[in-house]
Amino acid sequence: SYVLTQPPSVSVAPGQTARMTCGGNNIGIKSVHWYQQKAGQAPVLVILDDSDRPSGISERFSGSNSGNTATLTISRVEAGDEADYYCQVWDSSRDPWVFGGGTKLTVL
Amino acid sequence: QVQLVQSGAEVKKPGASVKVSCKASGYTFTDHFIHWVRQAPGQGLEWIGWVSPNSGLTNYTQKYQGRVTMTRDTSISTAYMELSRLTSDDTAVYFCARELFRISYWFDPWGQGTLVTVSS
Repeated sequence: SYVLTQPPSVSVAPGQTARMTCGGNNIGIKSVHWYQQKAGQAPVLVILDDSDRPSGISERFSGSNSGNTATLTISRVEAGDEADYYCQVWDSSRDPWVFGGGTKLTVL
Repeated sequence: QVQLVQSGAEVKKPGASVKVSCKASGYTFTDHFIHWVRQAPGQGLEWIGWVSPNSGLTNYTQKYQGRVTMTRDTSISTAYMELSRLTSDDTAVYFCARELFRISYWFDPWGQGTLVTVSS
């Protein structure tokens, strides 16, 4: 089955830019979706199809995808962005809905 | 607005079964698959399976085959997930989520989650 790899943690100071990666074999040919999960809450979609923002999501959130790495970028990071972030793809395998292990974003 | 509201927390003994509900509102229930995802304490998201509200068809990940049953009641726009033969490893938060599709499949929105605790 398809495997997505995310770094366990990323730390950034307020106002700086956070970049979180999601690695997978030739992930650039897939559509990658990103979810934000704050402590004790359900996941919320923040990026779909590599780089599209759903309605209501801040312009500070952006995404890219190429080669073997997809990236979620949060510019001008705020304390309220502290959360776990998960990438997700659909793969034509036995278990098609695949999540990465998640990255914990800490705002210093 | 589109919303999924799940049933409340459950405490079960090992070997028992649990049934979690997920009530949809704000859209046509039969237009979108409902998926179930679980999250063990301190862990990531794990996909369990889906149910088609329109047809009742289901698809489960192999790990839960034989233990999980997903159903729906279109008259009340509610999907259900039942997990049997519970063990302590099944202690987790269970989420339902609506499937959407454009180029690929994604989930939006998610239910608030239901904590299932398995303890003797």
